[in-house]
Formats: sequence, C-alpha cells, structure tokens
Amino acid sequence: ILNVEQSPQSLHVQEGDSTNFTCSFPSSNFYALHWYRWETAKSPEALFVMTLNGDEKKKGRISATLNTKEGYSYLYIKGSQPEDSATYLCASRRAGYALNFGKGTSLLVTP
Amino acid sequence: EPEVTQTPSHQVTQMGQEVILRCVPISNHLYFYWYRQILGQKVEFLVSFYNNEISEKSEIFDDQFSVERPDGSNFTLKIRSTKLEDSAMYFCASSSSGTSNEQFFGPGTRLTVL
Repeated sequence: ILNVEQSPQSLHVQEGDSTNFTCSFPSSNFYALHWYRWETAKSPEALFVMTLNGDEKKKGRISATLNTKEGYSYLYIKGSQPEDSATYLCASRRAGYALNFGKGTSLLVTP
Repeated sequence: EPEVTQTPSHQVTQMGQEVILRCVPISNHLYFYWYRQILGQKVEFLVSFYNNEISEKSEIFDDQFSVERPDGSNFTLKIRSTKLEDSAMYFCASSSSGTSNEQFFGPGTRLTVL
C-alpha cells in the first residue's frame, strides 16, 4: 500500500447503532497514525494519535486500534449519536513532519 | 481552550494575483504547517516550518509559494501568482514539538481563483 485508504467512503446509521471504519496505510517506515473528526466549517479535531503496534485508544464512545505490521487501523463508535455525524479522517506519518491523509469516511447518524 | 485561527475564512481572487493567507497558531507551539484540500480530493501536505525556516515541503510547494512568520504570532502562506488550480481549502496547523505527534488544525481558508 502506497497511499492512505479509508473505507467505507460514507456510512449512514441509525442512532444507537455501533459502527466502525477502516484506515489502511503504508507499513514501511511507519511513525504515527492520526484520527481526526471534521465537521463542516469547523477545524478538524484530533481524536487519537497512535504509534505502537497493538495500540488501543479510547475517548468516550469512540475507540481505535492500530496494526502497524499489516498497516491498518480501525475506528469504532459505540451507540452512535446524531452529534457523531462528521467526516472521520485518518492520516499516517512516516519520517518527517508531513501527515498523509486518506479521503475520509463521511458518517451520518439519523435519529 | 487554545485554538488555531485563520483569516480570512473565504478569499476570492483573480488568476495571476498574489494572495496571503494568515494563521495564528497556538501560542506556545513551535512547529507550523500548511495543508490544502482541493474539492473532492485528499488533504495534502504543503510545508512545515520551524525556527524561521522550512523544515520540509512537498512537490506542490513550488516557487509560487512562500511562508513567513513575520512576528511572534502570525504565520502566513503567500501564493505569488495564483492559478485556477490553486483553488482549495487551505489549512494551517501547529504542534508543540516536531516529535509531538499531535498537529492542531485551524478551520481553513477557502481560496477561490477566478
């Protein structure tokens, strides 16, 4: 994998459903994996930064896992709420400062 | 809570004109970045800046682009002669250190080149 890929591109769930998204990234020269939550007209909000293989991080109902050997990360949202509706971006960082972003997963949660 | 701010929120310019996009990073941060997102595409890295010099840049960041920290608070991106394909959302970000993994983003400036 040369680029960061995210799937699905978009997702529509009902309030209360749990959901997850996938981020695939180049596993060579890996330094860190970032997840951001981005609502239109607002700043992308940093959710997680993970660096170690097997890392799991949690913030409220949102959690993420990291597999650096195979180059993927999962983001989970438990009991989705309408306010979770946003685009979720992942970005990998190799040597250097640049974040290499995926196209994002657009989540819509309806009541 | 400290945040990165950007002005203007939307800038419209004519092709060939110079534009300056402004950012105020978080006050105790030392590393500064510009990214852009062309509509429908990925967010792309442009440049990182530390200690008054460019520390890394992408192939997008050609001679038409320059960055500057003119005073202790602002960080600017200048596009010397805008092209239609420069139309994009430009994001500024900052971090407290180079090894600090967290980059904090501003809300972006939407640049429209006519």
